[in-house]
Amino acid sequence: IAGITQAPTSQILAAGRRMTLRCTQDMRHNAMYWYRQDLGLGLRLIHYSNTAGTTGKGEVPDGYSVSRANTDDFPLTLASAVPSQTSVYFCASSDYRDREKNIQYFGAGTRLSVL
Amino acid sequence: AQSVTQPDIHITVSEGASLELRCNYSYGATPYLFWYVQSPGQGLQLLLKYFSGDTLVQGIKGFEAEFKRSQSSFNLRKPSVHWSDAAEYFCAVRRAAGGTSYGKLTFGQGTILTVHP
Repeated sequence: IAGITQAPTSQILAAGRRMTLRCTQDMRHNAMYWYRQDLGLGLRLIHYSNTAGTTGKGEVPDGYSVSRANTDDFPLTLASAVPSQTSVYFCASSDYRDREKNIQYFGAGTRLSVL
Repeated sequence: AQSVTQPDIHITVSEGASLELRCNYSYGATPYLFWYVQSPGQGLQLLLKYFSGDTLVQGIKGFEAEFKRSQSSFNLRKPSVHWSDAAEYFCAVRRAAGGTSYGKLTFGQGTILTVHP
């Protein structure tokens, strides 16, 4: 079982370019999340999706968009990257239906540098 | 709004010494509490969680944490640290139930643990 796969592992991107970070899970979890991790700030939620076809804004959604066309995939798009979006991005998923077991599992992350 | 504070940005201990990482939270509702560990270049792995019941919870790798409601704390402990425990540790909180946002985690800033031989 692969769990959560994120791609690419790392990327250097010119400012103003468009970039999509990919996230795929094979656990049939209905909820998925995108976080960014910055030193001294911990992980902050960007967007989330409780089920396929629905998305919601997290703590720091500006400059990012997501879609959830199916259960397994939850891509994160930076329409026009800016240097402040340099960060490590983590995708997570959980079984939202089970309130006691709604544990989030994380991918290995994508390290993005915007120059 | 909920918040989580980890007062110690960086802690250094000697191998074999005991460890306590502090976590304080501010939350209006009944919280679920978590500790995650992140090894260098890796994603986050769940160490342990507290939902209800016994306030001392055991996790993987010999870690435990104690929930103290009166102090709004959920400190992580280990009696004897191993060199492989060097990593970054995150405390997190989410609401227990109800509403569309109950699955979302709020993380602390993280504590980097260095272990000296």
